[in-house]
Formats: sequence, C-alpha cells, structure tokens
Amino acid sequence: AQSVSQHNHHVILSEAASLELGCNYSYGGTVNLFWYVQYPGQHLQLLLKYFSGDPLVKGIKGFEAEFIKSKFSFNLRKPSVQWSDTAEYFCAVSGTYKYIFGTGTRLKVLA
Amino acid sequence: DVKVTQSSRYLVKRTGEKVFLECVQDMDHENMFWYRQDPGLGLRLIYFSYDVKMKEKGDIPEGYSVSREKKERFSLILESASTNQTSMYLCASSGLQLPLGSYEQYFGPGTRLTVT
Repeated sequence: AQSVSQHNHHVILSEAASLELGCNYSYGGTVNLFWYVQYPGQHLQLLLKYFSGDPLVKGIKGFEAEFIKSKFSFNLRKPSVQWSDTAEYFCAVSGTYKYIFGTGTRLKVLA
Repeated sequence: DVKVTQSSRYLVKRTGEKVFLECVQDMDHENMFWYRQDPGLGLRLIYFSYDVKMKEKGDIPEGYSVSREKKERFSLILESASTNQTSMYLCASSGLQLPLGSYEQYFGPGTRLTVT
C-alpha cells in the first residue's frame, strides 16, 4: 500500500539548534517527493521538492532534504532553526495525479 | 501569483444540512483537489478532478460529492452533514508539469467547518 510516515509528531527545539525531520514512504514506481509547511494561520506552501537529479535538494528559508532511495527516505534538515520556523511540516509523495501526505510534524522553536 | 480562494473561512452548519464549499483558482490549472485536515491524521484526499466535468474519488469520499462545471471552480458538497464531518477543508490546484507528477499543489486558506 502507498503510504508516507513521519516519525516525529511533535518536536521542540531551541533557537539555533539543528533540525532533522524524518519521512519514509512506500510507493510503487517513480516517486516525486515534497515537503510542505503550514505556518500558524497561513496556507500550506511548498518548502522543496525532488523529482530527479541531485538527491540533495535545497528549498526556501535554508531548508534542505536528501532523497535516499535505498532507505525510501526524504528527511528534512535545517542547520540552525529560528523562532519563525515554528510550524507544521508535511512530507508528501506523488504519482501521476494524487498526493499522499504524511500525518505532519509540529515544530515549536523556543526563543 | 497563483491564487486559490475558498468561499468561507469559517462555517457552522446543523446536522442533516446540505453544505456547499466552493473553491476557485485563477491560474488555469487542470487539476483540483479537496482534502480534509484533521489533527494527527494529516491531509486526506476526498476527491480530485483533472478536467472539467471529470472527477475521481480520493481516499475518503463517503458522504461527499463534487462538481466541476468550469475549469476554475471546484465545489465540495456534503449531502447531509454529520458531526464527524467537522474538520478543516482544504482546496488545492495544480497544473500539468513535466515530468508528470512533479507538479506543485497550491492551496487555499481552508474552510473550518463545524457541524452541530
């Protein structure tokens, strides 16, 4: 069955700490992988995406993610978080039309 | 700048009422989607449409129907609202980019529906 797993449901970090959010997927065929972010009171928006090429992709606001095919993973990283990174983060995988979203990770960054 | 708008930010309805949620996008996108977002469950796809008058069931279509009469508009209908349909409803749209499936989805602000 197609699925996306986000292992951390809630993460609390202090400012300047490093961040890594886990994402594993189960999906047949070619995958396209995404991280979306939802800041409090705002729309879901794209952080970064991978569909081919360099498995290390960079997104907005200093985020990056690495696609490791052998591990079916697409973990999100940021070397130094800021208070403004407080948000909910969703990993997603897509095929031709449909997306499958993970259950989300709520990140709280303490100032 | 892509814009996806939803008719209401907050809606309160009574059990048994018929509820219409409207979504409009201004980027001539082929694909449109309806999700519901619940804490701890993430986003779950209700229905999607890849062309006018075309629709496909998502993962949780029961109790819902959709209509797409014009390319820019995608409506979600709750035929007889129930309390377990209290949720945040998100509309999204996307174009067709190559390679297929590499598209980004653009989301509306959401409608928080409460059914009492």
